[in-house]
Amino acid sequence: NAGVTQTPKFRILKIGQSMTLQCAQDMNHNYMYWYRQDPGMGLKLIYYSVGAGITDKGEVPNGYNVSRSTTEDFPLRLELAAPSQTSVYFCASSFAGGIGYNEQFFGPGTRLTVL
Amino acid sequence: AQSVTQLGSHVSVSEGALVLLRCNYSSSVPPYLFWYVQYPNQGLQLLLKYTTGATLVKGINGFEAEFKKSETSFHLTKPSAHMSDAAEYFCAVEIQGGSEKLVFGKGTKLTVNP
Repeated sequence: NAGVTQTPKFRILKIGQSMTLQCAQDMNHNYMYWYRQDPGMGLKLIYYSVGAGITDKGEVPNGYNVSRSTTEDFPLRLELAAPSQTSVYFCASSFAGGIGYNEQFFGPGTRLTVL
Repeated sequence: AQSVTQLGSHVSVSEGALVLLRCNYSSSVPPYLFWYVQYPNQGLQLLLKYTTGATLVKGINGFEAEFKKSETSFHLTKPSAHMSDAAEYFCAVEIQGGSEKLVFGKGTKLTVNP
């Protein structure tokens, strides 16, 4: 199993550009998450999904959009990049709802810089 | 709402010394508790978790943590630090029967000096 994969690993964007961060998992997990990590701030939840076709906002959703058309994929879209979106983005997945607790598995991250 | 506080954003120890990373949570109901480790330029990896049962839990790489309900704490320890333990450590909480979302602390960066 590859686990959770993310592409690209690094990206530099100009202000106002758009891009999609890709995330895929091969563990047949129902839940998937997008976090951003800023120095000294821990991880903040952007969006999450409890299954294909179902998404919901997390703590910091402004400026982002997501979709979940399949169980495996959960792309994150930035429509109009702003310097405040410079961060490291992590995708995670879990099999939640069946075992009671939510152990999440993380991808390697995408480091995004907006200039 | 639940929250997690990690005391000390940076902790420095000598190789072979005790590692103690502190985590306190706020929750009105028993939580599930996790410690994750992040090595430089990598994603987070589960170190250990407390769900139910024994309050002293053992994880990978010789780490362990003890759930103390009376102190609302879940401190991470390792008797003898190794250079390879240098990383950032995150405590996280999930409320039982709740939203199945994790709330993370801000992290503690561990430095191990030779």
